[in-house]
Amino acid sequence: GESVGLHLPTLSVQEGDNSIINCAYSNSASDYFIWYKQESGKGPQFIIDIRSNMDKRQGQRVTVLLNKTVKHLSLQIAATQPGDSAVYFCAETAPDSWGKLQFGSGTQVVVTP
Amino acid sequence: SQTIHQWPATLVQPVGSPLSLECTVEGTSNPNLYWYRQAAGRGLQLLFYSVGIGQISSEVPQNLSASRPQDRQFILSSKKLLLSDSGFYLCAGTSGLDNEQFFGPGTRLTVL
Repeated sequence: GESVGLHLPTLSVQEGDNSIINCAYSNSASDYFIWYKQESGKGPQFIIDIRSNMDKRQGQRVTVLLNKTVKHLSLQIAATQPGDSAVYFCAETAPDSWGKLQFGSGTQVVVTP
Repeated sequence: SQTIHQWPATLVQPVGSPLSLECTVEGTSNPNLYWYRQAAGRGLQLLFYSVGIGQISSEVPQNLSASRPQDRQFILSSKKLLLSDSGFYLCAGTSGLDNEQFFGPGTRLTVL
């Protein structure tokens, strides 16, 4: 079936550097994408979203890029901080799917001093 | 803003015992509601979703059931728990035209 997956299971980043987390999706009908951050023992926290009519969206220290041609999504975190250490999930949904999200397997980001 | 509440936060239950996890929503009306399960170190698996009172759709065959007795209440149940039911259970909700899902804090279930 359709799936959303991540390229890297673990990403180690030095504090202050920029982080890039990648995600591939296979459902060409998907039109809405979300990045979540999940800290240990907590529920996922919304970071940023993007619709398929856009290719870039920026938030506070985060940028999401969408390449529909190759079905690729990325999350960029600027000036990574220790508090950014967490598991990051991408998720996608298609029209007429009642908002059901398909989640990727997650990337563990570890920020080192 | 929308807030999702879940309880209990943690639960340890023997095999064969019943289960009832509750989720309530604040700050919105007529939300779509979702139950997910997350195994340790893994992604989220959608179990059930509901678009309104009394409306439940199951995504995977399993030992669990869900009910929505009120607009902002979503309950996950089981008559007899299995060891494989252990996991981290998350409730989420969306509202309005936006598909953005907000998650609750989760319930850690351990079946022994």
